[in-house]
Amino acid sequence: QKEVEQNSGPLSVPEGAIASLNCTYSDRGSQSFFWYRQYSGKSPELIMFIYSNGDKEDGRFTAQLNKASQYVSLLIRDSQPSDSATYLCAVTRRSNYQLIWGAGTKLIIKP
Amino acid sequence: EAQVTQNPRYLITVTGKKLTVTCSQNMNHEYMSWYRQDPGLGLRQIYYSMNVEVTDKGDVPEGYKVSRKEKRNFPLILESPSPNQTSLYFCASSLRRTSEDNEQFFGPGTRLTVL
Repeated sequence: QKEVEQNSGPLSVPEGAIASLNCTYSDRGSQSFFWYRQYSGKSPELIMFIYSNGDKEDGRFTAQLNKASQYVSLLIRDSQPSDSATYLCAVTRRSNYQLIWGAGTKLIIKP
Repeated sequence: EAQVTQNPRYLITVTGKKLTVTCSQNMNHEYMSWYRQDPGLGLRQIYYSMNVEVTDKGDVPEGYKVSRKEKRNFPLILESPSPNQTSLYFCASSLRRTSEDNEQFFGPGTRLTVL
């Protein structure tokens, strides 16, 4: 079992709809959870992070964390073609506080 | 401009020929890290450094060396590259020594091919 798992996709969503990206992790002691976006041929860039159970909103993005289920998700409202990218989930490993990364979900927003 | 730079951006080399990929940041960050990214495997950490002269192995350190003699620089050394080290490499840095609550800034990446 991978430490951080994401559906590789591609996930295809119509423009204007809500895109829902999911991530599960195995380390129950993980405390911090991050979503990065990576455009093709570019480096990852941070979208948002979350520590506490529940929802955290930042503009069109909402991160949701459920530590009991070891599950974190990212919702993108009013999806735009510019949101087409690979979304990487990263989780801190309790033993050394280093980030463990999922393989990413490729999101395609169809105009 | 605040940034992480890597050089070279692209490199094709042959098995066994030592090479160094440089990484430099101008943000006075304490923490720096090297990752490799392979299809289906995501980012895997090679080495990281909490501060000058402090380095630790990540998840895939075999075949790599690093050094942190200055705060801004964190070169990645492949003493004897092999084809299984063909990959996309990213250097990253962050302000604080742990990655718990702070953003990692990534360099543009180095695409390495070992023949």
